[in-house]
Amino acid sequence: NAGVTQTPKFRILKIGQSMTLQCAQDMNHNYMYWYRQDPGMGLKLIYYSVGAGITDKGEVPNGYNVSRSTTEDFPLRLELAAPSQTSVYFCASSYSKGQGAGANVLTFGAGSRLTVL
Amino acid sequence: AQSVAQPEDQVNVAEGNPLTVKCTYSVSGNPYLFWYVQYPNRGLQFLLKYITGDNLVKGSYGFEAEFNKSQTSFHLKKPSALVSDSALYFCAVAPAGGGNKLTFGTGTQLKVEL
Repeated sequence: NAGVTQTPKFRILKIGQSMTLQCAQDMNHNYMYWYRQDPGMGLKLIYYSVGAGITDKGEVPNGYNVSRSTTEDFPLRLELAAPSQTSVYFCASSYSKGQGAGANVLTFGAGSRLTVL
Repeated sequence: AQSVAQPEDQVNVAEGNPLTVKCTYSVSGNPYLFWYVQYPNRGLQFLLKYITGDNLVKGSYGFEAEFNKSQTSFHLKKPSALVSDSALYFCAVAPAGGGNKLTFGTGTQLKVEL
């Protein structure tokens, strides 16, 4: 049981390039999320998904796209990278049913550090 | 819109002393409240949550938090700090029924010294 797996761990992009951050979970969680973390700013929600085929915008979606074709995978696409997208990106997943100990608890991946130069 | 405030960027505590990391929140209706911890170069890890019930919630590694509805606070506490507790702590909130779309605070760096 690997939890939430993110790849790559590090990446340097040039301005205008595109890339995809991969995220996979093996816990059969229905919810998945992408957050970005900037120093002193906490975590900001980029996009989330409540299940396969369903995605929605979070607080800071501009410049990003997502898809959710399977329960397990939730890739984040950066088109036309900009220096403002330099950040650490975290994927997370959770399940929503009931009020048990694990409900509503996010499991995070280890993060992907992206630098845009 | 929901929000979380962590008024202290950093908290310094001597090992063995009690620690408190403060959090206040704003949300419509009843809140779901969470504390997460982040160690260097790692993802966030869940510590504890308040959904309903007893206002004092116990979590991992000896941490606890007290939900205070009148003061809209959810402070994290530990009776005796360890050097290994040094990390970045995040408070998060979601409205009841929307517990999966969390809003995080800006984080508080806890430093426990010998």
